[in-house]
Amino acid sequence: EAGVVQSPRYKIIEKKQPVAFWCNPISGHNTLYWYRQNLGQGPELLIRYENEEAVDDSQLPKDRFSAERLKGVDSTLKIQPAELGDSAVYLCASSLGDRLLNTGELFFGEGSRLTVL
Amino acid sequence: KNEVEQSPQNLTAQEGEFITINCSYSVGISALHWLQQHPGGGIVSLFMLSSGKKKHGRLIATINIQEKHSSLHITASHPRDSAVYICAAGKGDFGNEKLTFGTGTRLTIIP
Repeated sequence: EAGVVQSPRYKIIEKKQPVAFWCNPISGHNTLYWYRQNLGQGPELLIRYENEEAVDDSQLPKDRFSAERLKGVDSTLKIQPAELGDSAVYLCASSLGDRLLNTGELFFGEGSRLTVL
Repeated sequence: KNEVEQSPQNLTAQEGEFITINCSYSVGISALHWLQQHPGGGIVSLFMLSSGKKKHGRLIATINIQEKHSSLHITASHPRDSAVYICAAGKGDFGNEKLTFGTGTRLTIIP
């Protein structure tokens, strides 16, 4: 079974440019998370989806960040315009939101490393 | 003060040694997660626990809810165990709705 797939793995852009990251969660996982991990730090939640609904976007910097999960499957995270401080690894994770089957385990993708010059 | 703190930050040990990584949290949780991150790689979930103890192979995780403390143990450590180990406090019905992560413990096992 395929895991959480993210692309691109690496992206280098100049500041003020836009960038987008894509995530395809594990099949059947209705909960999808975007996390940001700065160097030497633990991940921080940006947004959590239950199906196509963003149920927690309180930590998403909405002036420049946007995310969508239109059909409740794959998701895109966009930054426009990017700033130097946005350099980080952007991690996507998914979990199975089923009360009977859910073990609570999160499955992470390999991450997208962004460098803003 | 961080809501989730780990110790030590860095740990170097010889192959075969028994390893303990500690995690203390100051928030109410539904579950405590232990995760592993290899350099340049993604994050792998090792355990999610809300009470007692769990064991998987050479890995053991324990939690004391009253003391708000959890430990991750590795028996008979091996160089392939070298990675960053992260604990995270989980909230919500499933214990995974909002994770607050520690900054990680970098473990290096020397052959």
